Amino acid sequence: EVQLLESGGGLVQPRGSLRLSCAASGFAFSDYAMSWVRRAPGKGLEWVSTVSGNGGSTYYADSVKGRFTISRDNSKNTLYLQMNSLRADDTAVYHCAKIWNYGDGWGQGTLVTVSS
Amino acid sequence: SYVLTQPPSVSVAPGQTARITCGGDNIGSKSVHWYQQRPGQAPVLVVHDDTDRPSGIPERVSGSNSGNTATLTISRVEVGDEADYFCQVWDSSSDHLVIFGGGTKLTVL
Repeated sequence: EVQLLESGGGLVQPRGSLRLSCAASGFAFSDYAMSWVRRAPGKGLEWVSTVSGNGGSTYYADSVKGRFTISRDNSKNTLYLQMNSLRADDTAVYHCAKIWNYGDGWGQGTLVTVSS
Repeated sequence: SYVLTQPPSVSVAPGQTARITCGGDNIGSKSVHWYQQRPGQAPVLVVHDDTDRPSGIPERVSGSNSGNTATLTISRVEVGDEADYFCQVWDSSSDHLVIFGGGTKLTVL
């Protein structure tokens, strides 16, 4: 069974930074691309970023390109999202997800609040 | 980039059938996936590749896709089906791999 556990969320000031982590278990982590998806209050799901299984290819939504960096450590079965230059509209629950074509494994999410 | 359009809300009485649509340009040529998300919970895949149900999803949940509209159908709706539903496609032709519809709030009256 796919298990994904996010951590690292919290309250951060505008223009601040935060690093999210996602610990994975129950599947061959390095064989699968992994993604971050967020849901802002009162809004729908928004894809943020995807990294290939070996970490060599990364993809970003226009809204975070140049500010966020996705990475992974396959030796630790862990996915990361480094978030810099945070803005109020980045406030959301961030979900780690096993998505390639469709998402068949999701974490509960970690809340990021950007506010002064 | 590709756009998916869903109605903001759908309301149905218990025992009736709910149909949630997802519109997109020639969406019938793509594989459409559907998720259910209850408040405070992770999204759950309920239909993938237009019509396939993951294990554990009841048979009264089904999907279809043709032309410019994909549809998620929930028969014999129960109070527990009340949730937000999102359609999604995979766009490997661009750098924006994962595209979600805006979501539909299903209310069980």
